[in-house]
Amino acid sequence: VQLVESGGGLVQPGGSLRLSCAASGFTVSSYYMRWVRQAPGKGLEWVSVIYGDGRTYYTESVKDRFTISRDNSKNTVYLQMNSLRLEDTALYYCARDKSARGDAFDVWGQGTLVTVSS
Amino acid sequence: AIQLTQSPSSLSASVGDRVTITCRTSQGFSSALAWYQQKPGKAPKLLIYDTSTLETGVPSRFSGSASGTDFALTISGLQPEDSATYYCHQFTGYPHFGPGTKVDLK
Repeated sequence: VQLVESGGGLVQPGGSLRLSCAASGFTVSSYYMRWVRQAPGKGLEWVSVIYGDGRTYYTESVKDRFTISRDNSKNTVYLQMNSLRLEDTALYYCARDKSARGDAFDVWGQGTLVTVSS
Repeated sequence: AIQLTQSPSSLSASVGDRVTITCRTSQGFSSALAWYQQKPGKAPKLLIYDTSTLETGVPSRFSGSASGTDFALTISGLQPEDSATYYCHQFTGYPHFGPGTKVDLK
């Protein structure tokens, strides 16, 4: 059971990035899949979720800018990030929601670093 | 906004010590809580879920408990590899994380 994120990098304010989270050992469409970020030296912040039925939710600060999606054929979850801001700089983790209640994430990727800077 | 507070923010203890970290919700929610361990440069690792259930493979020296809206993570017999930052996590509308408690070895 593994998650591998990719797609991070350096981007200017206002730019876009698409993060990928490739899963192995389980089927992403059978779980709630979440993105969690951690700014440098800071704590954890939930960003977004995609449910098994395709419903999506976002933390307030990224609504209308970020879009979570899933490709079942590739067993991969994505996070499209547009209109990036300096405060979006963080290590972005993909995580599996163990309970489907949002209160326990049992599988995490290694993270992919997003740096927003001019 | 709902906040999780953790205390202490950091602590230093010796090998073999019993260490307790507490987590409290700002609005008194008593719903299930999880605990994670994060070492530098690594992803968080789930230790405890449903307040007191040990995740598979986690050493039994870790335990979770609750008293009303106060939650606790206890390490009974601190080991060198337990040096890390510990986060609590609760779902109240959306997932919330505590600010973390850094545990160092003396």
